[in-house]
Amino acid sequence: AQKVTQAQTEISVVEKEDVTLDCVYETRDTTYYLFWYKQPPSGELVFLIRRNSFDEQNEISGRYSWNFQKSTSSFNFTITASQVVDSAVYFCALSEAIQGAQKLVFGQGTRLTINP
Amino acid sequence: DTGVSQDPRHKITKRGQNVTFRCDPISEHNRLYWYRQTLGQGPEFLTYFQNEAQLEKSRLLSDRFSAERPKGSFSTLEIQRTEQGDSAMYLCASSLSDSLYGYTFGSGTRLTVV
Repeated sequence: AQKVTQAQTEISVVEKEDVTLDCVYETRDTTYYLFWYKQPPSGELVFLIRRNSFDEQNEISGRYSWNFQKSTSSFNFTITASQVVDSAVYFCALSEAIQGAQKLVFGQGTRLTINP
Repeated sequence: DTGVSQDPRHKITKRGQNVTFRCDPISEHNRLYWYRQTLGQGPEFLTYFQNEAQLEKSRLLSDRFSAERPKGSFSTLEIQRTEQGDSAMYLCASSLSDSLYGYTFGSGTRLTVV
């Protein structure tokens, strides 16, 4: 069965520091998708990125970057020059095929606190 | 596009009562999903609809849970004879058949069973 492990339960840093959130996954599928979502206090899950298992290129979007390494089954997320508004719970997720669609298997989440 | 709407945002109920939640997906999205999130955990898949057809149900969805999506538009999730263990955030999400951007989630309904 699919499994996602986010070993860091909580991280606290001072504003402007860089921070990396770890994600390790297990799957027997050859084709799959990996996701990162942000959950602010309001509760809504905000989509950040989707990565196809065949695409191991790292991606950068502004202050956010993602490092996908299939060899170690990891999909880590780095925030550069963190800001207080980045404070939230971040979830890594792995797709699992269901009838005609994909369901998401989430990790336990990492609570990130950025202190001013 | 007003996003995915869920109602109510919060629900407090006594053990043994029935509750019903509603989800209005993005209008052109044909797929709708329900997830449950307990405190300190990631969301867990409950069930999935393609249009009005319920195509997948998790074993987490006991006999006390039922979901419907009449006419392939809004969906309801009913919990009968609620138990304290049902206390959680119930999240709804919708997507198009082959969305590059994954799901769009609603803000959830937080259920507290006392």
